[in-house]
Amino acid sequence: GAVVSQHPSWVICKSGTSVKIECRSLDFQATTMFWYRQFPKQSLMLMATSNEGSKATYEQGVEKDKFLINHASLTLSTLTVTSAHPEDSSFYICSSDGTSGSDGTYNEQFFGPGTRLTVL
Amino acid sequence: RKEVEQDPGPFNVPEGATVAFNCTYSNSASQSFFWYRQDCRKEPKLLMSVYSSGNEDGRFTAQLNRASQYISLLIRDSKLSDSATYLCVVNGGSQGNLIFGKGTKLSVKP
Repeated sequence: GAVVSQHPSWVICKSGTSVKIECRSLDFQATTMFWYRQFPKQSLMLMATSNEGSKATYEQGVEKDKFLINHASLTLSTLTVTSAHPEDSSFYICSSDGTSGSDGTYNEQFFGPGTRLTVL
Repeated sequence: RKEVEQDPGPFNVPEGATVAFNCTYSNSASQSFFWYRQDCRKEPKLLMSVYSSGNEDGRFTAQLNRASQYISLLIRDSKLSDSATYLCVVNGGSQGNLIFGKGTKLSVKP
């Protein structure tokens, strides 16, 4: 299957600082990437859909000015948490659509390993 | 009603047991259904897709009932390594994204 990487895998920062998370598709081109957030013991919640070369689409309740998404190339999408606060501490995961199976018949979303953000 | 609802668990079972997880979804227009497995502090990994006719992969059997909007996962002869959180996932978001249930935690004991 396709490989998606994320960097950093974890980050601890002070309240008020900005944190950038990178999501890369390593062996395929990703026109669309999805950014999810998962709080402890909760389900993954979609934050936004990132489209290469255009503005991201944000889910209701997600502040686009706080969570800046840039998808400037077919292999890289970035999420910047601006002026992070303790309530932003969470597990951030990106994913991208792809296909699996020897003949590429199965649609599947490939997830990055996630970034654990802790804001002090 | 939540979009994807799952039995919260936790399920604590001995090795070798058979365990079943249930899930219901609210969007009748959903077309794709999956079970993902998530280990602690890790990203979700696809366990299996769920097809209308039901499908089996080794010890794992998935069933879909579109009329009842119900999905199930059966694990036979459970192993210690099966301990994880199992996520019921439905494709149906407005952007083609996946919608996740909260997950059911399984703990297999020796």
